[in-house]
Amino acid sequence: QQQVKQSPQSLIVQKGGISIINCAYENTAFDYFPWYQQFPGKGPALLIAIRPDVSEKKEGRFTISFNKSAKQFSLHIMDSQPGDSATYFCAASGQAGTALIFGKGTTLSVSS
Amino acid sequence: KAGVTQTPRYLIKTRGQQVTLSCSPISGHRSVSWYQQTPGQGLQFLFEYFSETQRNKGNFPGRFSGRQFSNSRSEMNVSTLELGDSALYLCASSSRAGTGGTEAFFGQGTRLTVV
Repeated sequence: QQQVKQSPQSLIVQKGGISIINCAYENTAFDYFPWYQQFPGKGPALLIAIRPDVSEKKEGRFTISFNKSAKQFSLHIMDSQPGDSATYFCAASGQAGTALIFGKGTTLSVSS
Repeated sequence: KAGVTQTPRYLIKTRGQQVTLSCSPISGHRSVSWYQQTPGQGLQFLFEYFSETQRNKGNFPGRFSGRQFSNSRSEMNVSTLELGDSALYLCASSSRAGTGGTEAFFGQGTRLTVV
C-alpha cells in the first residue's frame, strides 16, 4: 500500500518530442505528488508538484496530469531538449510531517 | 540562500567500521530528513528530525541512527558497516516537519562505499 509504481524504467525521445512518465499509487491517504529531476552526481531537485484537488498543473514545458479515481499521475515534458536528459522520480506522501515515498525512477535520454 | 550542504561527498570504509555523515540544512529550515539511494531499491526514507526530535523513522535496522543539533544541523551514523550499506545518502531539508506535503530540498549526497 505504500508503494509508488513508476514506468517506464527508461525512455528515449527525439529532441522536440513529448516525454511521458507514469506513476500509480495505492494509498488513498496520499495527497501530495511531486516530481523530482536528478542529474548524475547531484541530489534530486523538485520539478513540479500537484495535490489531488486539481487534475492538471503546468509549469513551463512540464505538466502533471492527475487521475484521482485511477490513482495515477503522469509527467509530460513538452518540446523535450537534450538538457532534459536525467533521471525523473515521482513521489507521493500524506500530509505535512510524513515522508516521501518514491518511485524507482525513469532515465530519460533526449537525442539531438 | 545557500542550499543543503552534505559532507563529506565521498567516503570509503571497511566492513565492520562505523561512519558519520553530516548535513547542514537551508538556513531557517528546521526539518532534516535522510534518504538512502541505491540502484536496486531506489530512494528509501531513513528518518526525519524536526527541532532536535526524531519524528519519523523508516524501515532500517538499528545500525542506522541520527541526531539533530540546536542549529538544525544533522548527523547520520551507521555502525558495523555491511557491503550492502554502499549507497548515496541524501539529506533533505524543509521548513515544515517532514518532506511530505511540502517543498523539500535535497543536498548532493554523500557517496559511501563499503569494501
